[in-house]
Amino acid sequence: SAVISQKPSRDICQRGTSLTIQCQVDSQVTMMFWYRQQPGQSLTLIATANQGSEATYESGFVIDKFPISRPNLTFSTLTVSNMSPEDSSIYLCSVENQKMGETQYFGPGTRLLVL
Amino acid sequence: QKEVEQNSGPLSVPEGAIASLNCTYSDRGSQSFFWYRQYSGKSPELIMSIYSNGDKEDGRFTAQLNKASQYVSLLIRDSQPSDSATYLCALREGNTPLVFGKGTRLSVIA
Repeated sequence: SAVISQKPSRDICQRGTSLTIQCQVDSQVTMMFWYRQQPGQSLTLIATANQGSEATYESGFVIDKFPISRPNLTFSTLTVSNMSPEDSSIYLCSVENQKMGETQYFGPGTRLLVL
Repeated sequence: QKEVEQNSGPLSVPEGAIASLNCTYSDRGSQSFFWYRQYSGKSPELIMSIYSNGDKEDGRFTAQLNKASQYVSLLIRDSQPSDSATYLCALREGNTPLVFGKGTRLSVIA
């Protein structure tokens, strides 16, 4: 399976600011997803990152708050905009290579604390 | 709205015992089922997948699926302290993104 890296691994931010999280895969994948895992909770899908077009957002998540880019088949970014303490969470990039029949697997995550 | 229900635990079992983790789901259209393990502070890792009714064994792990009862389980034989983690049940319909349960925390006592 491909190796996934995320930057930053963790950050502490002030409310009202924005943070961009990068997800890099060492080989091309068909699908890239962004999940959030709040403390003590399960994984919630934020959106599917579509290569060359707008991301597909799940109910409760909007582009203005979580803009996503995916310029190619190995890279995606998630921005958490105008942050509040409620955005404190782990943000996980997940990829899948459907051409290889692989199931989703996850990057190491980005731990975000908003003060 | 797909719902995936798991008992949050913690489930405590002695070393060497069988740990039984259960998951129920609401969407009858779900076709693929997965178990992920998540150690504290780490990201989830896939341990088992199952697509048809019955049992699937992989080493000490056995996944069981009953689509009529909308039930999937994971058995861990000869449990080890290193199995202590949160186990997440996930499912999907077709190639849609995975939907996760809240996870069951397993503690294996040496």
